[in-house]
Amino acid sequence: QKEVEQDPGPLSVPEGAIVSLNCTYSNSAFQYFMWYRQYSRKGPELLMYTYSSGNKEDGRFTAQVDKSSKYISLFIRDSQPSDSATYLCAMSEDQGAQKLVFGQGTRLTINP
Amino acid sequence: SQTIHQWPATLVQPVGSPLSLECTVEGTSNPNLYWYRQAAGRGLQLLFYSVGIGQISSEVPQNLSASRPQDRQFILSSKKLLLSDSGFYLCAWSAPPTMAKNIQYFGAGTRLSVL
Repeated sequence: QKEVEQDPGPLSVPEGAIVSLNCTYSNSAFQYFMWYRQYSRKGPELLMYTYSSGNKEDGRFTAQVDKSSKYISLFIRDSQPSDSATYLCAMSEDQGAQKLVFGQGTRLTINP
Repeated sequence: SQTIHQWPATLVQPVGSPLSLECTVEGTSNPNLYWYRQAAGRGLQLLFYSVGIGQISSEVPQNLSASRPQDRQFILSSKKLLLSDSGFYLCAWSAPPTMAKNIQYFGAGTRLSVL
Protein backbone atom coordinates (compact mmCIF):
# COMPACT_ATOMS: atom_id res chain seq x y z
CA GLN A 1 0.00 0.00 0.00
CA LYS A 2 1.35 3.42 -0.94
CA GLU A 3 1.76 5.97 1.82
CA VAL A 4 -0.30 8.48 -0.16
CA GLU A 5 -3.01 7.53 -2.64
CA GLN A 6 -4.34 9.96 -5.22
CA ASP A 7 -6.68 9.16 -8.08
CA PRO A 8 -4.68 9.97 -11.24
CA GLY A 9 -7.79 10.80 -13.24
CA PRO A 10 -7.99 12.23 -15.81
CA LEU A 11 -10.84 14.40 -14.57
CA SER A 12 -12.73 16.55 -17.06
CA VAL A 13 -15.39 19.07 -15.99
CA PRO A 14 -17.19 22.03 -17.59
CA GLU A 15 -16.15 25.58 -16.86
CA GLY A 16 -17.79 26.97 -13.73
CA ALA A 17 -18.12 23.60 -12.01
CA ILE A 18 -16.93 22.89 -8.49
CA VAL A 19 -13.98 20.51 -8.53
CA SER A 20 -13.03 18.19 -5.71
CA LEU A 21 -9.58 16.60 -5.65
CA ASN A 22 -8.64 14.13 -2.95
CA CYS A 23 -5.81 12.21 -1.33
CA THR A 24 -5.82 9.53 1.32
CA TYR A 25 -2.82 8.58 3.41
CA SER A 26 -1.81 5.89 5.83
CA ASN A 27 0.71 7.59 8.12
CA SER A 28 -1.15 9.14 11.05
CA ALA A 29 1.94 11.20 11.93
CA PHE A 30 1.51 13.46 8.89
CA GLN A 31 0.67 16.97 10.05
CA TYR A 32 1.65 19.28 7.19
CA PHE A 33 -0.24 19.10 3.93
CA MET A 34 0.36 20.81 0.63
CA TRP A 35 -1.23 21.04 -2.77
CA TYR A 36 0.90 21.74 -5.80
CA ARG A 37 -0.30 22.68 -9.27
CA GLN A 38 1.72 21.58 -12.27
CA TYR A 39 1.05 22.90 -15.74
CA SER A 40 2.11 20.79 -18.68
CA ARG A 41 5.89 20.69 -19.15
CA LYS A 42 6.45 22.93 -16.12
CA GLY A 43 7.61 22.39 -12.55
CA PRO A 44 5.06 22.10 -9.73
CA GLU A 45 4.15 25.30 -7.90
CA LEU A 46 2.81 25.50 -4.37
CA LEU A 47 -0.91 26.24 -4.26
CA MET A 48 -1.98 25.61 -0.67
CA TYR A 49 -0.22 24.83 2.63
CA THR A 50 -2.10 23.64 5.70
CA TYR A 51 -1.31 22.35 9.13
CA SER A 52 -3.28 19.67 10.97
CA SER A 53 -7.04 19.41 10.53
CA GLY A 54 -9.44 22.06 9.28
CA ASN A 55 -10.06 24.25 6.27
CA LYS A 56 -8.03 26.94 4.58
CA GLU A 57 -9.40 29.19 1.89
CA ASP A 58 -7.55 31.24 -0.71
CA GLY A 59 -9.72 32.83 -3.35
CA ARG A 60 -11.46 30.10 -5.32
CA PHE A 61 -9.42 27.38 -3.64
CA THR A 62 -10.20 25.61 -0.36
CA ALA A 63 -7.97 22.99 1.24
CA GLN A 64 -9.56 20.64 3.73
CA VAL A 65 -7.85 18.19 6.07
CA ASP A 66 -9.59 15.43 8.01
CA LYS A 67 -6.90 13.73 10.07
CA SER A 68 -9.34 11.32 11.70
CA SER A 69 -10.12 9.87 8.27
CA LYS A 70 -6.61 10.44 6.88
CA TYR A 71 -8.15 12.32 4.00
CA ILE A 72 -7.38 15.66 2.41
CA SER A 73 -9.23 17.56 -0.28
CA LEU A 74 -8.78 20.54 -2.56
CA PHE A 75 -11.92 22.29 -3.78
CA ILE A 76 -11.91 24.65 -6.74
CA ARG A 77 -14.96 26.89 -7.09
CA ASP A 78 -16.02 28.52 -10.34
CA SER A 79 -13.42 26.50 -12.21
CA GLN A 80 -11.70 28.16 -15.17
CA PRO A 81 -9.90 26.70 -18.21
CA SER A 82 -6.69 28.14 -16.70
CA ASP A 83 -7.14 25.69 -13.81
CA SER A 84 -6.41 22.83 -16.21
CA ALA A 85 -3.30 21.20 -14.79
CA THR A 86 -2.08 18.26 -12.74
CA TYR A 87 -2.63 18.67 -9.00
CA LEU A 88 -0.32 16.89 -6.59
CA CYS A 89 -0.85 16.49 -2.88
CA ALA A 90 2.17 16.32 -0.59
CA MET A 91 2.62 15.83 3.14
CA SER A 92 5.17 15.50 5.91
CA GLU A 93 5.35 14.72 9.60
CA ASP A 94 6.99 17.93 10.74
CA GLN A 95 8.20 21.27 9.46
CA GLY A 96 11.81 20.22 9.67
CA ALA A 97 11.21 17.18 7.49
CA GLN A 98 13.75 16.86 4.75
CA LYS A 99 11.42 14.93 2.49
CA LEU A 100 7.85 15.24 1.36
CA VAL A 101 5.63 12.33 0.39
CA PHE A 102 3.79 13.08 -2.85
CA GLY A 103 0.64 11.67 -4.32
CA GLN A 104 0.65 10.53 -7.92
CA GLY A 105 -1.15 13.65 -9.12
CA THR A 106 -4.61 14.16 -10.65
CA ARG A 107 -4.80 15.49 -14.18
CA LEU A 108 -7.65 18.02 -14.42
CA THR A 109 -9.15 19.55 -17.56
CA ILE A 110 -11.69 22.39 -17.43
CA ASN A 111 -13.69 22.57 -20.65
CA PRO A 112 -14.87 26.01 -21.86
CA SER B 1 13.55 36.68 -3.32
CA GLN B 2 14.66 33.14 -4.00
CA THR B 3 14.90 31.71 -7.49
CA ILE B 4 15.87 28.32 -8.84
CA HIS B 5 17.43 27.80 -12.24
CA GLN B 6 17.55 24.50 -14.03
CA TRP B 7 18.97 23.79 -17.45
CA PRO B 8 18.74 22.72 -20.15
CA ALA B 9 14.97 22.70 -20.64
CA THR B 10 15.09 19.93 -23.22
CA LEU B 11 17.77 17.38 -23.98
CA VAL B 12 17.99 14.54 -26.48
CA GLN B 13 20.85 12.13 -25.89
CA PRO B 14 21.88 8.81 -27.43
CA VAL B 15 22.02 5.65 -25.35
CA GLY B 16 25.43 5.27 -23.72
CA SER B 17 26.24 8.98 -23.70
CA PRO B 18 27.02 10.92 -20.50
CA LEU B 19 24.63 13.30 -18.79
CA SER B 20 25.04 16.43 -16.74
CA LEU B 21 22.07 18.48 -15.53
CA GLU B 22 22.68 21.54 -13.43
CA CYS B 23 20.55 23.35 -10.90
CA THR B 24 21.36 26.53 -9.00
CA VAL B 25 19.46 28.43 -6.33
CA GLU B 26 19.72 32.14 -5.63
CA GLY B 27 18.65 34.23 -2.68
CA THR B 28 19.05 31.67 0.09
CA SER B 29 21.84 29.95 1.99
CA ASN B 30 22.32 26.32 2.96
CA PRO B 31 19.17 25.07 1.25
CA ASN B 32 18.13 21.45 1.07
CA LEU B 33 18.34 20.39 -2.58
CA TYR B 34 16.48 17.64 -4.40
CA TRP B 35 16.43 15.81 -7.71
CA TYR B 36 13.19 14.17 -8.81
CA ARG B 37 12.19 12.24 -11.90
CA GLN B 38 8.64 12.27 -13.20
CA ALA B 39 7.57 9.69 -15.75
CA ALA B 40 4.72 10.63 -18.10
CA GLY B 41 1.41 10.67 -16.22
CA ARG B 42 3.03 9.57 -13.00
CA GLY B 43 4.07 11.10 -9.72
CA LEU B 44 7.40 12.40 -8.50
CA GLN B 45 10.15 9.93 -7.73
CA LEU B 46 12.79 11.32 -5.38
CA LEU B 47 16.23 10.43 -6.71
CA PHE B 48 18.67 12.34 -4.49
CA TYR B 49 18.64 14.97 -1.82
CA SER B 50 21.35 16.99 -0.14
CA VAL B 51 21.45 18.89 3.14
CA GLY B 52 24.88 20.40 2.55
CA ILE B 53 27.98 20.58 0.37
CA GLY B 54 29.22 17.10 -0.44
CA GLN B 55 26.33 15.45 1.43
CA ILE B 56 24.22 13.35 -0.92
CA SER B 57 21.51 10.85 -0.01
CA SER B 58 20.41 8.42 -2.68
CA GLU B 59 16.85 7.20 -2.63
CA VAL B 60 16.93 4.56 -5.34
CA PRO B 61 19.80 2.51 -6.81
CA GLN B 62 20.20 3.48 -10.43
CA ASN B 63 22.36 4.64 -13.25
CA LEU B 64 22.51 8.21 -11.97
CA SER B 65 24.61 10.11 -9.44
CA ALA B 66 24.43 13.55 -7.87
CA SER B 67 26.95 16.04 -6.57
CA ARG B 68 26.83 19.30 -4.68
CA PRO B 69 30.11 21.11 -5.28
CA GLN B 70 28.84 24.44 -3.95
CA ASP B 71 26.19 25.46 -1.43
CA ARG B 72 23.60 26.39 -4.03
CA GLN B 73 24.58 24.11 -6.90
CA PHE B 74 23.27 20.61 -7.48
CA ILE B 75 24.31 18.43 -10.40
CA LEU B 76 22.73 15.24 -11.71
CA SER B 77 25.03 13.02 -13.75
CA SER B 78 25.31 9.74 -15.55
CA LYS B 79 28.30 8.10 -17.19
CA LYS B 80 26.20 6.08 -19.64
CA LEU B 81 22.54 6.81 -20.27
CA LEU B 82 19.98 4.05 -20.62
CA LEU B 83 16.67 4.21 -22.48
CA SER B 84 14.92 3.96 -19.11
CA ASP B 85 16.55 7.23 -18.00
CA SER B 86 14.16 9.18 -20.22
CA GLY B 87 11.80 11.39 -18.27
CA PHE B 88 11.15 14.81 -16.80
CA TYR B 89 13.79 15.78 -14.24
CA LEU B 90 13.00 18.33 -11.61
CA CYS B 91 15.27 20.12 -9.18
CA ALA B 92 13.82 21.56 -5.99
CA TRP B 93 14.98 23.39 -2.90
CA SER B 94 13.67 23.91 0.60
CA ALA B 95 14.84 25.83 3.62
CA PRO B 96 17.15 23.93 6.01
CA PRO B 97 15.48 22.13 8.95
CA THR B 98 16.56 24.84 11.37
CA MET B 99 14.14 27.19 9.65
CA ALA B 100 11.27 24.74 10.12
CA LYS B 101 9.71 25.30 6.72
CA ASN B 102 9.35 22.14 4.68
CA ILE B 103 7.86 23.60 1.52
CA GLN B 104 9.75 22.58 -1.60
CA TYR B 105 10.11 24.94 -4.55
CA PHE B 106 10.68 23.50 -7.98
CA GLY B 107 12.60 24.47 -11.04
CA ALA B 108 11.12 24.44 -14.52
CA GLY B 109 12.38 20.93 -15.25
CA THR B 110 14.46 19.22 -17.93
CA ARG B 111 12.79 16.90 -20.39
CA LEU B 112 15.31 14.19 -21.26
CA SER B 113 14.82 11.84 -24.16
CA VAL B 114 17.29 9.00 -24.52
CA LEU B 115 17.21 7.47 -28.00
